[in-house]
Order: sequence, then C-alpha cells, then structure tokens
Amino acid sequence: AQKVTQAQTEISVVEKEDVTLDCVYETRDTTYYLFWYKQPPSGELVFLIRRNSFDEQNEISGRYSWNFQKSTSSFNFTITASQVVDSAVYFCALSEAGLNDYKLSFGAGTTVTVRA
Amino acid sequence: DAGVIQSPRHEVTEMGQEVTLRCKPISGHDYLFWYRQTMMRGLELLIYFNNNVPIDDSGMPEDRFSAKMPNASFSTLKIQPSEPRDSAVYFCASSAQIKKEQYFGPGTRLTVT
Repeated sequence: AQKVTQAQTEISVVEKEDVTLDCVYETRDTTYYLFWYKQPPSGELVFLIRRNSFDEQNEISGRYSWNFQKSTSSFNFTITASQVVDSAVYFCALSEAGLNDYKLSFGAGTTVTVRA
Repeated sequence: DAGVIQSPRHEVTEMGQEVTLRCKPISGHDYLFWYRQTMMRGLELLIYFNNNVPIDDSGMPEDRFSAKMPNASFSTLKIQPSEPRDSAVYFCASSAQIKKEQYFGPGTRLTVT
C-alpha cells in the first residue's frame, strides 16, 4: 500500500502565483517523521524540511510554508509568489518508527513548472 | 562543508560489463544509504549502512548488485554483470542519525546499452 500519496502529478503556474502541493500519508505509528525534498532539473535531491509527529506547528521559511495536520494525515507545502527557480519535482516522504524505522518512503512526486 | 560526493556523474556501459559507483558521505554521518530512481518505480532504497556495517539489503534487486563500505568515508555499489534494465539514476545519501534528514549526493546516471 502506498504510504505517501502525492495526488498532483503536475502543476503549472505563472510566476508570482502561489502553489500548494498536497501530501497525504498513512501510518499506524504514533511517532513518525515527515520530509519534503526538492529535485530541480539538475537532478540532485535537496532537503527542505523535517517534521516529527508531535510537532503540529506550521512552519514558514521565506516563501515556503508547511501545513501539518494529523487529523487529516496531511503535510502540505505552499510556495508563495512562485519564481521560475522553483520549477522542480517535489517529493514528500515518511519515516516510521516501526521495524523499518530507517526507511524513507517517498511519494511519487509533484512536478511544478513556473512560467515567466 | 562538502556534501555527499558521488562518482562518476554519468556512466555509459554495455550489457555484461561491471559497473562500480562510488560515494563519499558527509563527514561525521553514521548512516549511508543507496537509492535508485527510475520513472517506473520512483525512488527505491537499495541498502543502508550504519557505522560501515550493512544493516538491510532487502532492497537490492538481485545478486548482481553488491555494496561495500570499507571505511566511514567511502562506499561502493557494484553491478556485475550489468543489464539494460539497470539503467537509472543511483543516489547515495547520508544522515547523522536514524530518522534524521538524509542528505543526497548529485547522483550517478547509469545507462546500460
């Protein structure tokens, strides 16, 4: 079963628009960790944020913000006033506290294209 | 600080040849991970090491794949013999603690013809 679902395959916006990426996860653990990674066209995977299951505070970092809601098992990511450099594939990932506690389960990714 | 270093960045080889991918983790990181990324299967964990010891290789697709970590600053992933279906981007990642964020290298794009 898919543990991390990123339902949006592709999103295309015009520069300066806001874009929200959805991430829904599935776990039976009470302790778990959620991550977002960015993969620009150059191919590397860039770590953006890590959240643990006990911290539901939303977080803002510059134009990036994250909305963690345990009630809906979602960890959504918003880019405000998007720029062309934000064009990338964004992955949400889950790390559970069970036997496979080392494993990062990645979603399929959402491709964001920001047009000038 | 230097990030995770991988070499080569690109590798093109013929079916049946041996391929060796290399990784240098971030200094001080105790965990090292090898991933494979393909369009069909996305990002897959192949194997991970803790303090140079392989902990779980259940993601390694076949016996043709092997990985070693002879010391804290170097790991290899070997494919022998290589097949066209091994074509993918192979990432190495390291982390300071389990469940902590993993930092990825730039990847090696492998093409087997």
